[in-house]
Amino acid sequence: DTAVSQTPKYLVTQMGNDKSIKCEQNLGHDTMYWYKQDSKKFLKIMFSYNNKELIINETVPNRFSPKSPDKAHLNLHINSLELGDSAVYFCASSRLAGEAYNEQFFGPGTRLTVL
Amino acid sequence: KQEVTQIPAALSVPEGENLVLNCSFTDSAIYNLQWFRQDPGKGLTSLLLIQSSQREQTSGRLNASLDKSSGRSTLYIAASQPGDSATYLCAVSDNQGGKLIFGQGTELSVKP
Repeated sequence: DTAVSQTPKYLVTQMGNDKSIKCEQNLGHDTMYWYKQDSKKFLKIMFSYNNKELIINETVPNRFSPKSPDKAHLNLHINSLELGDSAVYFCASSRLAGEAYNEQFFGPGTRLTVL
Repeated sequence: KQEVTQIPAALSVPEGENLVLNCSFTDSAIYNLQWFRQDPGKGLTSLLLIQSSQREQTSGRLNASLDKSSGRSTLYIAASQPGDSATYLCAVSDNQGGKLIFGQGTELSVKP
C-alpha cells in the first residue's frame, strides 16, 4: 500500500536521449510536486501541480516537461538529456497547496545517471 | 529570497544521548515547517509538521519547536538510538504553491 510510488528506481542513459519518470500517489491528494536532489544532496523544487494544473515552474529548462493526466499521477519527461541532469528526482504529494496543513509525502526517488 | 540553514552539518553521539538539531530561515513569513529524515539511498520520511501558528509538535521521542519571529526551529531527539542514524532535513513552505525550501541537512550518527 505504497503512498507515493515512482518508476523506475534507477535510470541510466546516454546524453541526448529522451526519458520519462512516472509518479503515482494513492493518498487522494490534490497537489503533486517534483524535486531534484543534486550530487551534494541539496533538494530543490522543480514543479508543482494542483488538480492537474501547473502552479509552480521553478526556472527549470524547457527540456523538462511535467504532465499530469489526472490528479493521482504526475510524470516527468526529459528531452535531450545532459550530464548535468544526473541527480535523484523525487515526487511528492500533499493536500491542496494553500491549505493550513499540507504535509508533503515523498516517493522513494529515481536515480538518473546520464553518461 | 528564503534561505534555510541547518547546523551542524554532521553530528556523532553515543547511544542514549538527548540531542538537538537546529534549523534557521531568513524570511519569517512561512506557512509551515516540516522535518524529514532521509536514510542513505532512500526517500524522505516526514517526521513532524509545524504550522506557522504553532509553537511545537511532538511525536514519540521527537519534539520540534518553532520560533517564527526569530526564524528558528529545533528538533529534539530524546534517548537517541542507532536506528536514528540518518540525515535530518528541515524545510519551510510559503503559501505560494506550497513549495518546500530545504536546508542542507544534518547527518546524524548514533554510535552503539
